[in-house]
Amino acid sequence: EAEVAQSPRYKITEKSQAVAFWCDPISGHATLYWYRQILGQGPELLVQFQDESVVDDSQLPKDRFSAERLKGVDSTLKIQPAELGDSAMYLCASSPDRAGETQYFGPGTRLLVL
Amino acid sequence: LAKTTQPISMDSYEGQEVNITCSHNNIATNDYITWYQQFPSQGPRFIIQGYKTKVTNEVASLFIPADRKSSTLSLPRVSLSDTAVYYCLVGDIYNNNDMRFGAGTRLTVKP
Repeated sequence: EAEVAQSPRYKITEKSQAVAFWCDPISGHATLYWYRQILGQGPELLVQFQDESVVDDSQLPKDRFSAERLKGVDSTLKIQPAELGDSAMYLCASSPDRAGETQYFGPGTRLLVL
Repeated sequence: LAKTTQPISMDSYEGQEVNITCSHNNIATNDYITWYQQFPSQGPRFIIQGYKTKVTNEVASLFIPADRKSSTLSLPRVSLSDTAVYYCLVGDIYNNNDMRFGAGTRLTVKP
């Protein structure tokens, strides 16, 4: 069964450093999402791509976060500089549906900022 | 955005049927209802989706009344491995950027 791949699985960094996460969606899925999940809360949408285009990045802190999906396949989420409050699980999901009715999530990257 | 309300937590025992209800009073005509399950340190997993009446798959059933202002996820004969957080989402099939996760319902299944 095809899965969404994410790396790294865990990342420890110091505040003010740069950090990047990678996601490889299920082949053929045009829609890709990045979520942030703080412990005890539901996932919060950061950015949504349709192919290589950003559909929604209204919740992305653009002063420090950036996301790209240059060829409409895999995607990178970057944080620079990282802050203590960025410690969370970062989840990537992909969907074969334009409206994202069914999303398939990766295992996530757990980030700890010291 | 159609807002959803779920109980924060529920307890059950092995072998019982569990029903988790989600309220979505301002659901719109184009909105569909999707439920996800999440285990600790894993990404959410799709369980079931529906628009109206009843939907059943190998994992769960989803009951949606005629007014669609609520929906109930039914898990038959739960086991310890069903302990997880369950999320109800409501989304517009024509607007692909308005689905949002709430806090979910933390289900604990006891022996």
